[in-house]
Amino acid sequence: DVKVTQSSRYLVKRTGEKVFLECVQDMDHENMFWYRQDPGLGLRLIYFSYDVKMKEKGDIPEGYSVSREKKERFSLILESASTNQTSMYLCASSFSRDHQYFGPGTRLLVL
Amino acid sequence: GENVEQHPSTLSVQEGDSAVIKCTYSDSASNYFPWYKQELGKRPQLIIDIRSNVGEKKDQRIAVTLNKTAKHFSLHITETQPEDSAVYFCAATYSGGYQKVTFGTGTKLQVIP
Repeated sequence: DVKVTQSSRYLVKRTGEKVFLECVQDMDHENMFWYRQDPGLGLRLIYFSYDVKMKEKGDIPEGYSVSREKKERFSLILESASTNQTSMYLCASSFSRDHQYFGPGTRLLVL
Repeated sequence: GENVEQHPSTLSVQEGDSAVIKCTYSDSASNYFPWYKQELGKRPQLIIDIRSNVGEKKDQRIAVTLNKTAKHFSLHITETQPEDSAVYFCAATYSGGYQKVTFGTGTKLQVIP
């Protein structure tokens, strides 16, 4: 059974703080993704990675960076958190030519 | 890049009726179309998918149809039940090489008992 886990379910941070969100998958998937989910806007892709140390910008990469040092782990970094980054963050992973498996999500509140 | 439009944004049906959700895509290179269901407070999960070499796929009460010429695909749920109440997302991607997926904005389905 595929398992995608995220480091926190809920996070509260202050404006200007550096925030790390971690995602781990146990299925040897080559692709990993970070989305943010906001009401009425669906799932918007922030970054994705198709291999270790490889990354591609998604549709809304501004204010975010990512790191993939190991195949099973994909980190999302908010360099300087702002209130407009308050959102639900979802990680996902997949094999190529296959559907995505999502993590449980991290609800981030930036004060 | 790819653009996926999804309609309607909300849908209420009586238990036992059918529900249809429609999506259109813009990139003719897209060849893989998954549908995800997200129940309240839970993660999205795949319910059905279709590849561009077929026009229809069924799995019990759910079915998906694809019209490549018109670039649209639809989710059909028959004999709806209260547990079908959820947000449904369509998606489109090119299943080869880098797998960037574009999602629709979601449809909140409410099945009224």
